[in-house]
Amino acid sequence: NAGVTQTPKFRILKIGQSMTLQCTQDMNHNYMYWYRQDPGMGLKLIYYSVGAGITDKGEVPNGYNVSRSTTEDFPLRLELAAPSQTSVYFCASSQRHLEKLFFGSGTQLSVL
Amino acid sequence: ILNVEQSPQSLHVQEGDSTNFTCSFPSSNFYALHWYRWETAKSPEALFVMTLNGDEKKKGRISATLNTKEGYSYLYIKGSQPEDSATYLCAISSGSARQLTFGSGTQLTVLP
Repeated sequence: NAGVTQTPKFRILKIGQSMTLQCTQDMNHNYMYWYRQDPGMGLKLIYYSVGAGITDKGEVPNGYNVSRSTTEDFPLRLELAAPSQTSVYFCASSQRHLEKLFFGSGTQLSVL
Repeated sequence: ILNVEQSPQSLHVQEGDSTNFTCSFPSSNFYALHWYRWETAKSPEALFVMTLNGDEKKKGRISATLNTKEGYSYLYIKGSQPEDSATYLCAISSGSARQLTFGSGTQLTVLP
């Protein structure tokens, strides 16, 4: 049972570099989410998707982009990495709106 | 932006003690409350999803109550064990923010 799979687990970027955080789920969930976790703060929603082809901004979308070409995959793109994007990123999914979330294992990203 | 407050921020209890902590939120237009358990180096895992005022849920030694009229939920742990050590996250969805907004968590340490 793979559930929600995130890659990579760790990454160090230089300022201005770009990268894509991969997220895939094998539970046929419609809803997928990207959160970031900063020390002492709650999980902040970056982007979410309610189904293939549909994405929407969350609370902190600036500096990120997403796409949802398939039900399974929901990659998060950082175009011009900035130190403020140093964080732990979690992908999550749920079958229906407001049902419990299933989280990936997280990606620890440092931008130096 | 929804304000979800969890208290205390952290606490230490002795093995065998019972404990509880609080999640407070705006009571207007409430939709759902989630509790998650987040162990160090792992992903958050759902404990409860609650939607009705007066709802009580139980999972082993852990239980939760919900008061939507006054805007709070309690999480109780009976007879704490070292394996209960984790951060407990609360998340709310309401009419003003259809997606989940997380609190910053209560970090529980159970001392053997």
